Amino acid sequence: NAGVMQNPRHLVRRRGQEARLRCSPMKGHSHVYWYRQLPEEGLKFMVYLQKENIIDESGMPKERFSAEFPKEGPSILRIQQVVRGDSAAYFCASSPRSGANEQFFGPGTRLTVL
Amino acid sequence: DAKTTQPPSMDCAEGRAANLPCNHSTISGNEYVYWYRQIHSQGPQYIIHGLKNNETNEMASLIITEDRKSSTLILPHATLRDTAVYYCIVRVPPGNTDKLIFGTGTRLQVFP
Repeated sequence: NAGVMQNPRHLVRRRGQEARLRCSPMKGHSHVYWYRQLPEEGLKFMVYLQKENIIDESGMPKERFSAEFPKEGPSILRIQQVVRGDSAAYFCASSPRSGANEQFFGPGTRLTVL
Repeated sequence: DAKTTQPPSMDCAEGRAANLPCNHSTISGNEYVYWYRQIHSQGPQYIIHGLKNNETNEMASLIITEDRKSSTLILPHATLRDTAVYYCIVRVPPGNTDKLIFGTGTRLQVFP
C-alpha cells in the first residue's frame, strides 16, 4: 500500500507565476489536509478537504491560494501569482475518515520562488 | 486547542532512553495528547496518543501525569535514526475539524 504521494517534490517558480501542488492520498483515504512549513518554522495548518468538499480552510491565506479535492484524481493546492514569501515546504496528509487518530503525511513539495 | 510547552532541544546518547517532556497546563477534560515527529526534511510521522492512561506501542511510551497537565514521551532505546523534531500536540477528539496545531517542538539529537 503506497503512502501519500506528492508531486512535484521540488518546484521552482518566478514571481507572478502559478504553482500547482498535487497530493495523492493513501488508498482508501478520503480526507486530505494541507500544511505549510516556512523555513526554520513549524508546520501550519492550511486546509482540510473531503472528496469534493472543503471542511476547514481557516489556515488558508485569503488571496491567491485555493485547494480542491475532486471526486477523481489528486488533491490540488494552487497558488496564483506567487511571491517570494510563498517559498516553503508544503505537506499533504491523509486519513481514512473524520475522527481518525493518525494523519499520514507525504514527503512534501518544496516550493522556491525566485 | 490547548497550548503546549516543550524544551527547544535535547541530547541523548545512543542506546539510552530519551525522555521528552511536554507541559499542557490548560488542557481540557476531553483533549488528547498526541506526539508526532519530523525527521529532517521529511513529512511528520505519528508516534502515539493518549487521554489519561499511560500508553505504549512499538515506537514509544507516553506517560501522562494524573492531573494531565504534563506528559513525557519515552523512546526506550534511542538510535541515531530517532534524531528529529518531536511535537507534542493537544487536541479535542478528531471530529468536525481534524487539523493538527504544531508548536515549535523539541529537537532531539541522538549522538553515538
